[in-house]
Amino acid sequence: GESVGLHLPTLSVQEGDNSIINCAYSNSASDYFIWYKQESGKGPQFIIDIRSNMDKRQGQRVTVLLNKTVKHLSLQIAATQPGDSAVYFCAELRGTSYGKLTFGQGTILTVHP
Amino acid sequence: GAGVSQSPSNKVTEKGKDVELRCDPISGHTALYWYRQSLGQGLEFLIYFQGNSAPDKSGLPSDRFSAERTGGSVSTLTIQRTQQEDSAVYLCASSSDRVSYTFGSGTRLTVV
Repeated sequence: GESVGLHLPTLSVQEGDNSIINCAYSNSASDYFIWYKQESGKGPQFIIDIRSNMDKRQGQRVTVLLNKTVKHLSLQIAATQPGDSAVYFCAELRGTSYGKLTFGQGTILTVHP
Repeated sequence: GAGVSQSPSNKVTEKGKDVELRCDPISGHTALYWYRQSLGQGLEFLIYFQGNSAPDKSGLPSDRFSAERTGGSVSTLTIQRTQQEDSAVYLCASSSDRVSYTFGSGTRLTVV
């Protein structure tokens, strides 16, 4: 299930299920969107990115969907495994040169064996 | 090295003391970034360096915070007169393009 408020949203799934993690972004001028995975005690790890002129991109077991109309981004993980348990952040990148990422709040994914 | 290295991994300091956090980026990466992550929160941008350009310091929360990058490689983030609200994990990242950031494991700073 999910919780809101002062705590990070959480998603609990069974091993083998598909997971969908959602993110709302604020700036329509952002031209890149990126998903990161952060395991306990580690820095964020790049998963997949998508340019603003695309609406879908697939990687290995992951798919990112971008809906610019409602400023919504989602990460789908197929056949979720216990090793996928982590905090997932979406981030947006603005500008035409090197810039700084703006991170979302994060979602805690817990995969039960 | 193969990744971004940060030291120390943990730092406990007394309120009012100065601290220095170090970041060794991936060799050849021209961009270097510092972020701060408070407990259970997302990442907050602090500062970034790109080549020989002036750094973007727009995320530094106060003038107690400063950073430098020597020789286009190693970076040091300095916090003067630390306060308890400075307690967080400080993350460094480097990149060779606009998108593919590689983060270090961070320095966990605790101000007591």
